[in-house]
Amino acid sequence: ETGVTQSPTHLIKTRGQQVTLRCSSQSGHNTVSWYQQALGQGPQFIFQYYREEENGRGNFPPRFSGLQFPNYSSELNVNALELDDSALYLCASSRTPPGQGAFDYGYTFGSGTRLTVV
Amino acid sequence: QKEVEQNSGPLSVPEGAIASLNCTYSDRGSQSFFWYRQYSGKSPELIMSIYSNGDKEDGRFTAQLNKASQYVSLLIRDSQPSDSATYLCAVKRFFSGNQFYFGTGTSLTVIP
Repeated sequence: ETGVTQSPTHLIKTRGQQVTLRCSSQSGHNTVSWYQQALGQGPQFIFQYYREEENGRGNFPPRFSGLQFPNYSSELNVNALELDDSALYLCASSRTPPGQGAFDYGYTFGSGTRLTVV
Repeated sequence: QKEVEQNSGPLSVPEGAIASLNCTYSDRGSQSFFWYRQYSGKSPELIMSIYSNGDKEDGRFTAQLNKASQYVSLLIRDSQPSDSATYLCAVKRFFSGNQFYFGTGTSLTVIP
């Protein structure tokens, strides 16, 4: 059983640029969520995708967007990068969309992409 | 008021002792609770999930949930140096747009 894989592992971008981060979900998982974790903070929910559609969104501006593909892999795109976007970006997959069942199984996180905006 | 609050620590315990980590949450409608362990520079790893009031044990780990008091805790028995990490509490509310709310984490150091 393969885990959640993310690429790239590290990235340095200039303010104003655009970035795309990629994630392959764990085998058997059909839901992908993206989180932003700033240094010393807990992960903050960006959005979730289920069946190729956005299925929930946190308090992030529209310049954060995403996609999910038929094989359940996903992309996170961030436009007009700002210095505060520097963080660890975590992709998390799960077997069922949280909220769709009586209980939630919890996430399996990928190793993350460390984004630095200069 | 934050959705999920944890003492940031650091919490230090000697090897073999019991480490106690606590978490409080603000929404009484919360239904699912999780503890994640995060080593420095790594991604969070799920340790325990708990849904009902009471205790849930898994090896050296025991999660405790008290919905009336709105707190969830994690006990680590026979603490090992390899348990040194940041422990994140995560809460899922009943209607929350499918998001989990994480605390800022408690840093635990187990001293050999």
